[in-house]
Amino acid sequence: DVKVTQSSRYLVKRTGEKVFLECVQDMDHENMFWYRQDPGLGLRLIYFSYDVKMKEKGDIPEGYSVSREKKERFSLILESASTNQTSMYLCASSSPTTGSQGRYEQYFGPGTRLTVT
Amino acid sequence: GNSVTQMEGPVTLSEEAFLTINCTYTATGYPSLFWYVQYPGEGLQLLLKATKADDKGSNKGFEATYRKETTSFHLEKGSVQVSDSAVYFCALPIQGAQKLVFGQGTRLTINP
Repeated sequence: DVKVTQSSRYLVKRTGEKVFLECVQDMDHENMFWYRQDPGLGLRLIYFSYDVKMKEKGDIPEGYSVSREKKERFSLILESASTNQTSMYLCASSSPTTGSQGRYEQYFGPGTRLTVT
Repeated sequence: GNSVTQMEGPVTLSEEAFLTINCTYTATGYPSLFWYVQYPGEGLQLLLKATKADDKGSNKGFEATYRKETTSFHLEKGSVQVSDSAVYFCALPIQGAQKLVFGQGTRLTINP
């Protein structure tokens, strides 16, 4: 079974702190994603990585950065946490397929609920 | 580009009721279609999928048929249980990208 793990289920940080959220997948997937989920706003893509050291901005990258030094690990960094970054953060991975749209099935971790006070 | 429109919730049903959650899409070609489920406090899990037109995906008593004529992928279950209470998301690939676009999610609550 594909397994995507996230370093913390719950996290409480103070405004201005630097925050690291870690995600690890064990299926040798090339693609990894960070989303945030907020009530009424659904899932929004923050960043996407399609290979080691490669990244692409998603829909809401402001205030975030990412790091992918190894294929299995994708980190989300909040350089200076703010209260409006209180949210549920979801990591996912997938493997690219051939064809114009392919299957692109994503596998999700359990999520990290971050509270910034 | 590809997009998905999902039935707004919340939806509240009694146990053993019939469930339909509507999902319609706009897409170039015939992309794969997915339903994901998110149980309280957890991440998303793939519930079912269909990879080509007229395919029927099924899992845990849920079904959805890929209908190209109506560009729909409605989720159905004949008899829901309390344990089906969750948020359900319809999704499809973004054209030309290895990413998915998700519907807004439909919160389903089943009362005993």
